[in-house]
Amino acid sequence: GESVGLHLPTLSVQEGDNSIINCAYSNSASDYFIWYKQESGKGPQFIIDIRSNMDKRQGQRVTVLLNKTVKHLSLQIAATQPGDSAVYFCAENMGPSNDYKLSFGAGTTVTVRA
Amino acid sequence: EAQVTQNPRYLITVTGKKLTVTCSQNMNHEYMSWYRQDPGLGLRQIYYSMNVEVTDKGDVPEGYKVSRKEKRNFPLILESPSPNQTSLYFCASSPSTGLGYTFGSGTRLTVV
Repeated sequence: GESVGLHLPTLSVQEGDNSIINCAYSNSASDYFIWYKQESGKGPQFIIDIRSNMDKRQGQRVTVLLNKTVKHLSLQIAATQPGDSAVYFCAENMGPSNDYKLSFGAGTTVTVRA
Repeated sequence: EAQVTQNPRYLITVTGKKLTVTCSQNMNHEYMSWYRQDPGLGLRQIYYSMNVEVTDKGDVPEGYKVSRKEKRNFPLILESPSPNQTSLYFCASSPSTGLGYTFGSGTRLTVV
């Protein structure tokens, strides 16, 4: 099975609310994680990343949290906007022996309600 | 503009007719990779390349070939396409180990 997966395939959120997208991974050797956003008809776009020696990293309106104990990753989007509607993927770097291999989850489709 | 360029964007072909999807990046990235995206399966890696003349298989390499003769180009070759290779394909590049890939806009391939 997949080593990276998302808890929910879809998420509907009211404009202005905060969004939380979850991801579970199974490879304890993974040391680097990335969140991507994919809009319709486009390729995945890098949002934010985090290394395994960190628990939290913040960007502009986004925060990634990493809980290595339970192998859980989350993406928080503050004040969700209509432009945030997209499919969100978490990706996992499988560790030193697989430096160039990113494993992706199936994605969560986020729909922002006006 | 820094980008990964794939061509063509859309392609319909018949079973068994060899085709090549081109990929080029202008960022001098060492690492390049091909992914396919199918509904419910996310992105799966087909092949990747760590540098010129260095390539390796990903998760789903069967039915595909790649080459890396130049740093900027990483074409994907389907010698004898089959309908199960109908998919959305993405090329991606990365500057170094441990950094996220930059993706191209995708090639939607239909094999009939």
